[in-house]
Amino acid sequence: GAVVSQHPSWVICKSGTSVKIECRSLDFQATTMFWYRQFPKQSLMLMATSNEGSKATYEQGVEKDKFLINHASLTLSTLTVTSAHPEDSSFYICSARDGTDGRETQYFGPGTRLLVL
Amino acid sequence: AQKITQTQPGMFVQEKEAVTLDCTYDTSDPSYGLFWYKQPSSGEMIFLIYQGSYDQQNATEGRYSLNFQKARKSANLVISASQLGDSAMYFCAMREVYGNNRLAFGKGNQVVVIP
Repeated sequence: GAVVSQHPSWVICKSGTSVKIECRSLDFQATTMFWYRQFPKQSLMLMATSNEGSKATYEQGVEKDKFLINHASLTLSTLTVTSAHPEDSSFYICSARDGTDGRETQYFGPGTRLLVL
Repeated sequence: AQKITQTQPGMFVQEKEAVTLDCTYDTSDPSYGLFWYKQPSSGEMIFLIYQGSYDQQNATEGRYSLNFQKARKSANLVISASQLGDSAMYFCAMREVYGNNRLAFGKGNQVVVIP
């Protein structure tokens, strides 16, 4: 199956710092990647859709300036949490859509646990 | 309105037995896809199985099968011969073509397999 990597898997940072998370599709090209946030014992919440070579589309209520998304290549999207605060602590998970399988299946990375102190 | 409904409480299932996880969906889009994902405690989301709205046959992938009842708008996941490693959260999701191909997720079903 398609493989998506995500780094780092864990990050602890001080309040006010910025954190960058990388999402890579390893064995397929993904024109579209997605960024989700998940709180404990809850479902995934879509934050934004990342399209290669264009601006990301953010979901309602997600601050664009807070969560910067860059999709510079067909295999890499990055999410930068700017000036992180404790309320940004969460599990962030990306997915990459495989448009070649006829199903538009989203394959997920292993996720990043962010703890802001 | 909720697009994907998963209402079962946490489930305990005996090892080697089968378990059915319920999922109902709501859409007016004639073309859609249904997915099941498994999320173990490690957090990764593992793609299990896919059913297209126009597929005539129920999807099967190894021990996973999907009981697709289009008229009832249900897409239940059946896991046969449960293993201890099947203990996880299971999410049903739907992709609507007119929804920009985004996935709408249900709230998930917790499954614990006991020896």
